[in-house]
Amino acid sequence: GQNIDQPTEMTATEGAIVQINCTYQTSGFNGLFWYQQHAGEAPTFLSYNVLDGLEEKGRFSSFLSRSKGYSYLLLKELQMKDSASYLCVGGSYIPTFGRGTSLIVHP
Amino acid sequence: DADVTQTPRNRITKTGKRIMLECSQTKGHDRMYWYRQDPGLGLQLIYYSFDVKDINKGEISDGYSVSRQAQAKFSLSLESAIPNQTALYFCATSHLDTQYFGPGTRLTVL
Repeated sequence: GQNIDQPTEMTATEGAIVQINCTYQTSGFNGLFWYQQHAGEAPTFLSYNVLDGLEEKGRFSSFLSRSKGYSYLLLKELQMKDSASYLCVGGSYIPTFGRGTSLIVHP
Repeated sequence: DADVTQTPRNRITKTGKRIMLECSQTKGHDRMYWYRQDPGLGLQLIYYSFDVKDINKGEISDGYSVSRQAQAKFSLSLESAIPNQTALYFCATSHLDTQYFGPGTRLTVL
């Protein structure tokens, strides 16, 4: 199967660090994507991992272990505007979307 | 200007009506997709197209049809709308597996 599992909801404090985990069960993905989606808006691209390891982009980092079917998105120095849903997506010409993790950042 | 546009942005209609949602893109991508999103659920693929002559059903195509009028245009139709088609609809293009989404159409079927 191509299930993608991620937590439904997480909460964190402004200024803190949060890690959103994602596990998947397939060998058919061309890499692993993370998208951010604010309520009522379109998803926007955050990161892409095709090889194992850590990709860092400013306050956001993403990690992939293909052998373990595992990825995480790390958000540092959280800001209120980071409150959103974060989608873990298996990359393919037909992508597989996780249901998203709703992150709530409180003061 | 936005690269992927959708019209209308909001629509309220009645059961049984025919509805068309339109999507246009200026990104020059061949691959285009239609998704629906319901609260608490992930994005569900309705139809996808890899070029003008290629149309494919997604996981929830029943009750929907599409037309790829040109590389830049991909429209979604609900022939006879029903209340459980109330949802947020997104059009997207793709290049090297990265998806680029339009702003969405919020459809309410009464």
